[in-house]
Amino acid sequence: SQTIHQWPATLVQPVGSPLSLECTVEGTSNPNLYWYRQAAGRGLQLLFYSVGIGQISSEVPQNLSASRPQDRQFILSSKKLLLSDSGFYLCAWRKGNGVYGYTFGSGTRLTVV
Amino acid sequence: SQKIEQNSEALNIQEGKTATLTCNYTNYSPAYLQWYRQDPGRGPVFLLLIRENEKEKRKERLKVTFDTTLKQSLFHITASQPADSATYLCAPGGSSASKIIFGSGTRLSIRP
Repeated sequence: SQTIHQWPATLVQPVGSPLSLECTVEGTSNPNLYWYRQAAGRGLQLLFYSVGIGQISSEVPQNLSASRPQDRQFILSSKKLLLSDSGFYLCAWRKGNGVYGYTFGSGTRLTVV
Repeated sequence: SQKIEQNSEALNIQEGKTATLTCNYTNYSPAYLQWYRQDPGRGPVFLLLIRENEKEKRKERLKVTFDTTLKQSLFHITASQPADSATYLCAPGGSSASKIIFGSGTRLSIRP
């Protein structure tokens, strides 16, 4: 069966510090991968998605970046965090071909102080 | 720009009744639409997917309709239970299967 791992679960970082969130998927190959952010009481905002290794599409211009160094690994990064980067970050995957539901990770609660 | 509207006000329903949630979209024609459930502090969980050529889809106590003329989907939970209390998100998907956009969700509360 397929599983998705996302870590850490909680993170408190000072303004200006770097960020690296990692997401890995097991039990499947060539998944589409996604990073979403959810502000408190708000909806899901799509940040990045990837349909293959090294292929990254950015939905929202900001100080975040994403990389996909391996087929089932998706990384969200920032060189310098802003207060506005606080939120609940969710990684998700779905099968690469056809129309399927998304499977989400457990999320990372990021607080920038 | 594409816009998805879900009732931002919480929906309070008596246990045993049918809960109906609405999702309206504008400025695009999705080929399919998905519904998710999200509990506090957790990631969304996929519930149902309905395609544009399907009028209705059922799964246990859940029923989803998709009206491409009205640009609307309705999500029904019959015989509602307190355990159904959560936020429900709709997510229309376009012809590009690479991404979908989520609505802001409707919080459903089922009281005993």
